[in-house]
Amino acid sequence: NAGVTQTPKFQVLKTGQSMTLQCAQDMNHEYMSWYRQDPGMGLRLIHYSVGAGITDQGEVPNGYNVSRSTTEDFPLRLLSAAPSQTSVYFCASSLRTGGTTEAFFGQGTRLTVV
Amino acid sequence: GENVEQHPSTLSVQEGDSAVIKCTYSDSASNYFPWYKQELGKGPQLIIDIRSNVGEKKDQRIAVTLNKTAKHFSLHITETQPEDSAVYFCAAGGGADGLTFGKGTHLIIQP
Repeated sequence: NAGVTQTPKFQVLKTGQSMTLQCAQDMNHEYMSWYRQDPGMGLRLIHYSVGAGITDQGEVPNGYNVSRSTTEDFPLRLLSAAPSQTSVYFCASSLRTGGTTEAFFGQGTRLTVV
Repeated sequence: GENVEQHPSTLSVQEGDSAVIKCTYSDSASNYFPWYKQELGKGPQLIIDIRSNVGEKKDQRIAVTLNKTAKHFSLHITETQPEDSAVYFCAAGGGADGLTFGKGTHLIIQP
C-alpha cells in the first residue's frame, strides 16, 4: 500500500530555476493539498484541490502553481525559485474535504534554493 | 481564518511520566481536531483525533480532551516511552480549505 508518494526526496536549485515537485496517491482520495514546513512555523497550506480540475489557494500560495488533471496526481510547480522557498514540502490527501477527515502525508521533499 | 496556538514548544519528561500538550483555536466553526506525530525525516502521521460532539477520546496511552466553550484541546500521553520522542502537531479544521496546524511541540523522553 503506497499511500502518498512524493518525488524527489531532496533537491537543490539555483535562484531563478524552475521545477516540479511530484505527488501521487493511490487511495482514490478526492482532496489533496501541499504544505510547507519551516522551523518554528509548523505546517502552512500552500494550495489545495477538492477534486480533479479544481484547485484553490491556501495561506502561502505566492510563487507556486498547481494543477489537478487526475484524481491521483497533484504536482506543485515553482516557477522561479527564491531562497525564501527553501523548506520541506509535504503533500497530503484526504478521503473527503480536507478539514474534516484524516490527512495522509507523504515523506516530504527537502528543497534548498541557493 | 483559523488560528491555532500550541504550547509548549519543547517538553522534556522522564520516561514513565505523563506529558500534556495544549492547543487553542479561534474559529468556533471548527469541528475536527486531529493530533499528528512526526518522527525525524518522516511525514506527520495521525495518532488520535476528536470531533466537536465529543469531549474526550482515549486510545491506550494517549487521550485527547476538548473544551468547545473555551476553544481549547489537549493531548495527554501517559507512561511515556523512548519511542514517544517526536514532534507533535495539533490541528483544527471544519471546511474545504483544510487543516490549520499549530507550530508543534518537540517532546523529549529522558531515560
